[in-house]
Amino acid sequence: AQSVTQLGSHVSVSEGALVLLRCNYSSSVPPYLFWYVQYPNQGLQLLLKYTSAATLVKGINGFEAEFKKSETSFHLTKPSAHMSDAAEYFCAVITSNAGNMLTFGGGTRLMVKP
Amino acid sequence: NAGVTQTPKFQVLKTGQSMTLQCAQDMNHNSMYWYRQDPGMGLRLIYYSASEGTTDKGEVPNGYNVSRLNKREFSLRLESAAPSQTSVYFCASRRRGVGTDTQYFGPGTRLTVL
Repeated sequence: AQSVTQLGSHVSVSEGALVLLRCNYSSSVPPYLFWYVQYPNQGLQLLLKYTSAATLVKGINGFEAEFKKSETSFHLTKPSAHMSDAAEYFCAVITSNAGNMLTFGGGTRLMVKP
Repeated sequence: NAGVTQTPKFQVLKTGQSMTLQCAQDMNHNSMYWYRQDPGMGLRLIYYSASEGTTDKGEVPNGYNVSRLNKREFSLRLESAAPSQTSVYFCASRRRGVGTDTQYFGPGTRLTVL
């Protein structure tokens, strides 16, 4: 079975500060991992995805994530937060032995203070 | 190219009433999905359709039915709504049902059952 845990349902940072959103996964087979962002009253939009080609993945809006197999982690980072980054972020995992179904974490709401 | 569209955007039902949520995609994707989003629980899969003519249960199918009307459209029906079905419902589509193909999400339907 696969699962995703996002540590911290709410994260608050100051504008210009580092953003770090944590995601740990559980999977018995090599996973594919995704980060999605949801702005208020909108659907989910893909930020980036890990497909095993490279462990450091760059996404849109200056975000990146690093796949660390030894830590079963796929944390999302951005060097300098912007007010427009305020949103909810979801980590998700997909594996072949789960029928290629996406399993989502509970989400982390990012707040950016001026 | 509208992507994934959902109707209605908002709906209020009384307990026991029925309704159908509509979803359509214009990206010629084979796979389509219905999720519900509840606070702190991320998105949970209700039903999916790997290809036209097939549907399968997801994690939380009880109280719902689906129809894959054609390649473009995938509807979700609540036969007898219950307050526990108050949620935000998202439809998604994906080019194929395997591998790392991205899922694209619609804007959601906010459903309240009184």
